[in-house]
Amino acid sequence: GAGVSQSPSNKVTEKGKDVELRCDPISGHTALYWYRQSLGQGLEFLIYFQGNSAPDKSGLPSDRFSAERTGGSVSTLTIQRTQQEDSAVYLCASSFHPSGGGQETQYFGPGTRLLVL
Amino acid sequence: AQSVTQLDSHVSVSEGTPVLLRCNYSSSYSPSLFWYVQHPNKGLQLLLKYTSAATLVKGINGFEAEFKKSETSFHLTKPSAHMSDAAEYFCVVVDTGRRALTFGSGTRLQVQP
Repeated sequence: GAGVSQSPSNKVTEKGKDVELRCDPISGHTALYWYRQSLGQGLEFLIYFQGNSAPDKSGLPSDRFSAERTGGSVSTLTIQRTQQEDSAVYLCASSFHPSGGGQETQYFGPGTRLLVL
Repeated sequence: AQSVTQLDSHVSVSEGTPVLLRCNYSSSYSPSLFWYVQHPNKGLQLLLKYTSAATLVKGINGFEAEFKKSETSFHLTKPSAHMSDAAEYFCVVVDTGRRALTFGSGTRLQVQP
């Protein structure tokens, strides 16, 4: 596609329910990132996928959060037993990351706004 | 760990006057630095990036930033503000160990007519 897409754009759920957020990266991009934007914490890194390597999960705030990337493309972020503090905008980004540097541009999707009641 | 500090949470300017958004970074070596902009209800968009090729970096929409190692700064400037520049601006550093972006707290730019 033309850019990174995310679905749903908005999600309202009840405390304790599980939610799944989806990200479709730019075609051909090898790296995929999840970030969270909340009022109290600003923008923070959650998890990073690069090719077939093991993901970097160092930013996940608790074991209720998990993510997978199937076939090196689409990714799903799952939050189990949601809590009110999980309310935030969840952003996905992708980049073309052939090797070294870390200077490649990350392109962001529009985000999924999650509200936990 | 690398970090960035945005010195102003809000900046207000008049249309047609210069813009200065300040950012200081903390890094043990030469970092990769970025400025991203986020318009209301829109996604994050890259304005410009510094990757050690040149200290003065030009970006989109007339913005530029200068990397000053001696001052550990990467301030964003624009000679003349436009109403459409009103948005939130984020100074960002790459944590090269993880490749994840570390964001500053953001500066909300308001442009008065």
